[in-house]
Amino acid sequence: KAGVTQTPRYLIKTRGQQVTLSCSPISGHRSVSWYQQTPGQGLQFLFEYFSETQRNKGNFPGRFSGRQFSNSRSEMNVSTLELGDSALYLCASSVGTGAMNTEAFFGQGTRLTVV
Amino acid sequence: KQEVTQIPAALSVPEGENLVLNCSFTDSAIYNLQWFRQDPGKGLTSLLLIQSSQREQTSGRLNASLDKSSGRSTLYIAASQPGDSATYLCAVIDSGYALNFGKGTSLLVTP
Repeated sequence: KAGVTQTPRYLIKTRGQQVTLSCSPISGHRSVSWYQQTPGQGLQFLFEYFSETQRNKGNFPGRFSGRQFSNSRSEMNVSTLELGDSALYLCASSVGTGAMNTEAFFGQGTRLTVV
Repeated sequence: KQEVTQIPAALSVPEGENLVLNCSFTDSAIYNLQWFRQDPGKGLTSLLLIQSSQREQTSGRLNASLDKSSGRSTLYIAASQPGDSATYLCAVIDSGYALNFGKGTSLLVTP
């Protein structure tokens, strides 16, 4: 059974540019969530999608956005990149229906470097 | 707002020792608690999930306990090996479908 797949694995962007990251969840999983990991702040929740609807959003500026497609694949977009956006971006998937099905499985992450 | 704390922040032990990692959280209204392992520069690997109605879960040399009323969980690793060296993360999930993570415990097992 394939795991969570994130592409690309590495990205280098210039300040002011925008970037799109992709996440393909485990087959049958309808919930996809995104996290930012930095040495100083640790893992911080960005947003969660279930069946193409955003159910929750973390405390990040509007430059961070996401979406989910009908096949449960998800993308996140960061516009007007800042140096502080350099981080490991992790995607997780779960079944997503109810409290009993929240076990999260993570992808390998996308390492974004903003220069 | 849920706050998750992990103690200790770092731990170094000789191979073969049994060890305990601690996790505490401030809001007991959780769905589940999940322990992860992260190797440098990699994603997170799920180790154990404890549902809020459970008291413990076991997988191989790992045993995790949950005391929801006191807001605590422990991860017990038996007979540690150098391959166990990694960062261990505890996360709680509530009705908001977001994982709230601690800062992790960095474990080094020396041969």
